[in-house]
Amino acid sequence: QKEVEQNSGPLSVPEGAIASLNCTYSDRGSQSFFWYRQYSGKSPELIMFIYSNGDKEDGRFTAQLNKASQYVSLLIRDSQPSDSATYLCAVNIRYSGNTPLVFGKGTRLSVIA
Amino acid sequence: DGGITQSPKYLFRKEGQNVTLSCEQNLNHDAMYWYRQDPGQGLRLIYYSQIVNDFQKGDIAEGYSVSREKKESFPLTVTSAQKNPTAFYLCASSATGTGNQPQHFGDGTRLSIL
Repeated sequence: QKEVEQNSGPLSVPEGAIASLNCTYSDRGSQSFFWYRQYSGKSPELIMFIYSNGDKEDGRFTAQLNKASQYVSLLIRDSQPSDSATYLCAVNIRYSGNTPLVFGKGTRLSVIA
Repeated sequence: DGGITQSPKYLFRKEGQNVTLSCEQNLNHDAMYWYRQDPGQGLRLIYYSQIVNDFQKGDIAEGYSVSREKKESFPLTVTSAQKNPTAFYLCASSATGTGNQPQHFGDGTRLSIL
């Protein structure tokens, strides 16, 4: 099982809709969860982090964490064409042989005007 | 402004040549990282350092070398042993190396072979 998994997409949503991006992880003891946005040709930028079960809202973005089911989601409300990017999930994996923060391969989101 | 500076933005390498990518941060972060990203692919960890004068290999360290002589600086050398160096190279830093703090990225360096 891969440590952090994301559907590669593309996920296409119409402008104004809610985009839902999902990420599952393998370490039940993980405590820190991060979402990054990466525009084509650019570097990743941090948009959300969440440490506790439940929802965390920041503007149009909501991160949802369910530790029992080992998944974390990112909801983007009122999606805009400018939200079109690849979204990377990162999770601290305690038993990882390398740096404890492990990145998923990302989900490509396309918002259609 | 606090941040991570990578230079150059574009770099070209000739056959048999070593090239060095610069990464400097003024965030006072302990940990620094180098990733490689190929088109349409995820991030692959090359090397990381959690403290000055110490660093560890990542998943794809062969053909690369690093040093961490100062807290602010973590240069990456792409050696001639790396046969397919064309990629987007990203440097990142975090306050600690425990995985409980986010990593922040520089703008990246694009390396191509002449």
